[in-house]
Amino acid sequence: EVQLVESGGGLVKPGGSLRLSCAASGFTFSSYSMNWVRQAPGKGLEWVSSISSSSSYIYYADSVKGRFTISRDNAKNSLYLQMNSLRAEDTAVYYCARESRGGWFDPWGQGTLVTVSS
Amino acid sequence: EIVLTQSPGTLSLSPGERATLSCRASQSVSSSYLAWYQQKPGQAPRLLIYGASSRATGIPDRFSGSGSGTDFTLTISRLEPEDFAVYYCQQYGSSSRYTFGQGTKLEIK
Repeated sequence: EVQLVESGGGLVKPGGSLRLSCAASGFTFSSYSMNWVRQAPGKGLEWVSSISSSSSYIYYADSVKGRFTISRDNAKNSLYLQMNSLRAEDTAVYYCARESRGGWFDPWGQGTLVTVSS
Repeated sequence: EIVLTQSPGTLSLSPGERATLSCRASQSVSSSYLAWYQQKPGQAPRLLIYGASSRATGIPDRFSGSGSGTDFTLTISRLEPEDFAVYYCQQYGSSSRYTFGQGTKLEIK
């Protein structure tokens, strides 16, 4: 069964840092691009970042560029998101998602909640 | 950046009725790169349709997608109680930018 499990969310103060992880299983992780997508409370979906299978191509939404860093470890079947200089508007559930060739996301993890508040 | 606008914002229908959800793009989108997702409260989004009209694995055939260019449609032919949820369209564009529509909430009338 293809599965993605996020971890690392929590409460952090504005300006603080947090590192999210996503553990993948049930598929050849090293063959797929991976993404982070977030959803603020009661709001819609916002793409955050993408990383290609070999980490050669990395992209960020303008809203997080320069503050967030995506990375992966294919040997550990894991995806990461290092979040620095966090702001209140970064408060959201963060999902990791596998990307298919046509740019759609399937499956998604269950999400991890990040709350930025003093 | 391509903006996706979904309408209506909320759709109130009864089980057994037909639902038609719209997704309009600010610029032409390749049909290959248009997807639809369903999200229920407290759950992650689930892929329904990819490539504008192909159903994902395990998706019932009452769900169908159509459209091209700037206008895309998700149709649910006969609503089941479990279909009431929020639906998002998504496109994949140049510079590896991914954008989502703001969502359509399908609620029980």
